[in-house]
Amino acid sequence: SAVISQKPSRDICQRGTSLTIQCQVDSQVTMMFWYRQQPGQSLTLIATANQGSEATYESGFVIDKFPISRPNLTFSTLTVSNMSPEDSSIYLCSVEDQDRNSYEQYFGPGTRLTVT
Amino acid sequence: QKEVEQNSGPLSVPEGAIASLNCTYSDRGSQSFFWYRQYSGKSPELIMFIYSNGDKEDGRFTAQLNKASQYVSLLIRDSQPSDSATYLCAVNLFQGAQKLVFGQGTRLTINP
Repeated sequence: SAVISQKPSRDICQRGTSLTIQCQVDSQVTMMFWYRQQPGQSLTLIATANQGSEATYESGFVIDKFPISRPNLTFSTLTVSNMSPEDSSIYLCSVEDQDRNSYEQYFGPGTRLTVT
Repeated sequence: QKEVEQNSGPLSVPEGAIASLNCTYSDRGSQSFFWYRQYSGKSPELIMFIYSNGDKEDGRFTAQLNKASQYVSLLIRDSQPSDSATYLCAVNLFQGAQKLVFGQGTRLTINP
């Protein structure tokens, strides 16, 4: 499976600021996904990012709050804008396994965000 | 009704016993089913996937799928303390575009 890295691994930010999270994959992938995992909760899909098109956002998530870029087939960024303490979560990117042509998703190590 | 439901536990199993984790889903059109293991402070790790009715075995893990009952389970044989983690069930839903929906997870503790 692909090797996925994320930067930063963790950050503490002040409310009202923005943070951009990077996701890098060691091979080309068509579909990348961004998830949020709030403390003690399961994973919630924020958006799907395909190269060359606008990201598709899930209900409850909007582009102004979570802008996403996907400039090529190995990289994506998620920005958490105008942060509030409620944005404190782990943010995870994932990719599908292209080699197997299946729907299995593999996750990066995550970015732990604390907003004060 | 939640799209994917799991018993949140905690589930406590003695070492060497079989741990049984269950998951139900609401969308009859779902085709792909996944089990992820998540250790505290780590990201989810895919351990099993199943697409067809019946059993699928991989080492100490067996996934079971019953589409008629909309039920998927994970059995862990010869449970080890290292199996202590949260297990997340995920279902692939085709809603215009494919996406994974996760259950709330079951916290499993294996007691030595």
